Amino acid sequence: AIQLTQSPSSLSASVGDRVTITCRASQGISNALAWYQQRPGKAPKLLIFDASSLESGVPSRFSGSGSGTDFALTISSLQPEDFATYFCQQFYIKPFTFGPGTQVDIK
Amino acid sequence: QVQLIQSGAEVKKPGASVKVSCKVSGYTLTALSMHWVRQAPGKGLEWMGGFDPEEGETVSAQKFQGRVTMTEDLSTDTAYMELRSLRSEDTAVYYCATRVRGGVFDPWGQGTLVTVSS
Repeated sequence: AIQLTQSPSSLSASVGDRVTITCRASQGISNALAWYQQRPGKAPKLLIFDASSLESGVPSRFSGSGSGTDFALTISSLQPEDFATYFCQQFYIKPFTFGPGTQVDIK
Repeated sequence: QVQLIQSGAEVKKPGASVKVSCKVSGYTLTALSMHWVRQAPGKGLEWMGGFDPEEGETVSAQKFQGRVTMTEDLSTDTAYMELRSLRSEDTAVYYCATRVRGGVFDPWGQGTLVTVSS
């Protein structure tokens, strides 16, 4: 199975900060990567698919980049509602796998 | 707009089975590829399996093979996930989610907490 690692595992940031989370795959997955946001007690919400395509309704401050094995999710200006945990997921081959998550907290 | 409504929390003893339901509204289940993902308390997300349109059948992660059954009642647009021989490590929130755009999951149900405890 393809392993996904994320860094950092957690970070503290302030409203207005630019935040970047990285996701690395154990083998090349082309652009078959998605990013999700999960708030406490809620289901994950799709933010980005195909590594860099913004899901409809998701604010433009979210962006994704990368291909192959290295990917990134960037939040250009952190807003109060963005404090959550973020997961990457590969859908290149089954079993579909998720990264361990990055928790974004308020500094 | 697709909405997925899951059944309520369950408490089971080790060795028992649990069956979680996921009702589709705003669409028909036949047009969807329903999958199941679980999340142990404070942990990450784990794909369990679901309907694979390329293979025309339900596939499951090797870890769950022989212990999980995913079914659909098309007359009520409801999907089910049954997990047998429960152990404490199966304590988790179980989500249904539709697979779209090749393999991403959107939307998700609200989740069903299954607690396995003696």
